[in-house]
Amino acid sequence: EPEVTQTPSHQVTQMGQEVILRCVPISNHLYFYWYRQILGQKVEFLVSFYNNEISEKSEIFDDQFSVERPDGSNFTLKIRSTKLEDSAMYFCASRDWWSYEQYFGPGTRLTVT
Amino acid sequence: SQQGEEDPQALSIQEGENATMNCSYKTSINNLQWYRQNSGRGLVHLILIRSNEREKHSGRLRVTLDTSKKSSSLLITASRAADTASYFCATGPPGGSEKLVFGKGMKLTVNP
Repeated sequence: EPEVTQTPSHQVTQMGQEVILRCVPISNHLYFYWYRQILGQKVEFLVSFYNNEISEKSEIFDDQFSVERPDGSNFTLKIRSTKLEDSAMYFCASRDWWSYEQYFGPGTRLTVT
Repeated sequence: SQQGEEDPQALSIQEGENATMNCSYKTSINNLQWYRQNSGRGLVHLILIRSNEREKHSGRLRVTLDTSKKSSSLLITASRAADTASYFCATGPPGGSEKLVFGKGMKLTVNP
């Protein structure tokens, strides 16, 4: 069964460093998302992406964040200058055009020290 | 803002029993989805129910939706130890918004 994959599974970085989290959505899906979950808290929406542009973003998704679909298979989230409070599990998700079901990847645990 | 909140926050049952989890939300929705998360792992999509549906089944799962009460329930029948996980409801807003709004989740423990 097709699934969303994410790399790396765990990333440790120092405050102020740039990180890129990578995702391979399910093939043929057209809508892509990033969410995050700070330890012990709710899963929070960050951004949605469709037709090579951001379709919606949350207040969390400020100028430090960016997304890109560099080719036909990858979808990336970049954090330009990480802060301690960016430490969280980051989930990528995707969906097909005909259903609202969003399928999530296993997540990348980002630890900012 | 709309919000899914699961109830109870934790539930412990014996294998073979049924587990019922409830979710309440505050504003109009387009759909409501249930997810499972094993400890520290990813979110697994379980089932989606649209705002114009009242009940849906998938295997041992049964979901109901009452839009007048702004609530949904997830029933897992004949539970297994492997069902031990956290369960989340997530609401999809109307009006073309893409974001899912998640509740805090509910921890289900199924004892063998």
